[in-house]
Amino acid sequence: AQTVTQSQPEMSVQEAETVTLSCTYDTSESNYYLFWYKQPPSRQMILVIRQEAYKQQNATENRFSVNFQKAAKSFSLKISDSQLGDTAMYFCAFMKPITSGTYKYIFGTGTRLKVLA
Amino acid sequence: NAGVMQNPRHLVRRRGQEARLRCSPMKGHSHVYWYRQLPEEGLKFMVYLQKENIIDESGMPKERFSAEFPKEGPSILRIQQVVRGDSAAYFCASSQGASAFFGQGTRLTVV
Repeated sequence: AQTVTQSQPEMSVQEAETVTLSCTYDTSESNYYLFWYKQPPSRQMILVIRQEAYKQQNATENRFSVNFQKAAKSFSLKISDSQLGDTAMYFCAFMKPITSGTYKYIFGTGTRLKVLA
Repeated sequence: NAGVMQNPRHLVRRRGQEARLRCSPMKGHSHVYWYRQLPEEGLKFMVYLQKENIIDESGMPKERFSAEFPKEGPSILRIQQVVRGDSAAYFCASSQGASAFFGQGTRLTVV
């Protein structure tokens, strides 16, 4: 069975600094996708970044980037130049195709990030 | 292009009543996922539906819970005879391919 582990329940970072959130996963699949979602106090789940397993290049989205280590099954999120608005719960998610056109998502338990002024 | 719409945002039910949660997916999306989130916890998968078809309901309790996604109209998550333990935030996500987008959730409170 697939699992997603986020070993850091809480983290804090000073504004403008860089922080890295860890995520590891377990799967025997070769074709899958990985995601980071952000859930601010408003509770809205926002897709931050996505990585396809077949791509070696790490995904980047403005201040957000990932370090995808496929062999180690690690998918960490780096937030550069942290802003107060980055304060949120961050969820790592694994997705694999079940059949043609259907997908299964599995979420980690989340890391609560607080950006300090 | 409106995002995933969930309503109501807040729902209060007395024990024993029925709760109906609605989810309208993004335009063009035919896949819907329902998740439950307890306070200070992560998302727990409940059910995965395509139009008129349940793909995976392995996370949904066998009793009192049901879900549908009809050919026309929103997806409905129904909880019959609610109990205090059903109080949670319920999120719907829709996808058409390999990214899922979430609604704002429905917070169910059972009193």
